[in-house]
Amino acid sequence: NAGVTQTPKFRVLKTGQSMTLLCAQDMNHEYMYWYRQDPGMGLRLIHYSVGEGTTAKGEVPDGYNVSRLKKQNFLLGLESAAPSQTSVYFCASSYHNSGSTEAFFGQGTRLTVV
Amino acid sequence: GDSVTQMEGPVTLSEEAFLTINCTYTATGYPSLFWYVQYPGEGLQLLLKATKADDKGSNKGFEATYRKETTSFHLEKGSVQVSDSAVYFCAPYNYGQNFVFGPGTRLSVLP
Repeated sequence: NAGVTQTPKFRVLKTGQSMTLLCAQDMNHEYMYWYRQDPGMGLRLIHYSVGEGTTAKGEVPDGYNVSRLKKQNFLLGLESAAPSQTSVYFCASSYHNSGSTEAFFGQGTRLTVV
Repeated sequence: GDSVTQMEGPVTLSEEAFLTINCTYTATGYPSLFWYVQYPGEGLQLLLKATKADDKGSNKGFEATYRKETTSFHLEKGSVQVSDSAVYFCAPYNYGQNFVFGPGTRLSVLP
């Protein structure tokens, strides 16, 4: 049982390049999330999804797009990378069952934009 | 929207010292409350949770009690170990919404 898997783990981009971060979960969770973590800022929600085919904006969505074509996958895209997008990105998924919930996190992707 | 206030870190303690990390939250309704821990180079993992007032979550010697009257969920441990060095995040969650994470509190435990 792999849980939440993020690909890649590290990446260096040049300003203006594009890339896609992949998140895959094998727990059949409905909810999936993308966060970014910056020093002193905690985790900030970029986009999230409450089910296959649905996405919504979080706290800091500008410069990012997402897709949830399959329930187990949640993709985060950067169309034109900027140095301000240098960060550690975390994907998470969660279940919701009779008032109980828990979020499970991936190991993170460290992205540097130069 | 929902928000979290955590005590500022870093917190530096000697091994076997008592730990308290304060957390207060602002949330609509009746959220569940969580503490997540992030060890160096890793993602967040659940430490403990509580779903209703006066519930006490506990795990690995850590405890936190859901105090609705003070909207608080302070994390405590009676005797910390070097292996507890990590960043700790408090997070309220309302059903149908999103986890809201505080800025995190970095704990360093010295031998």
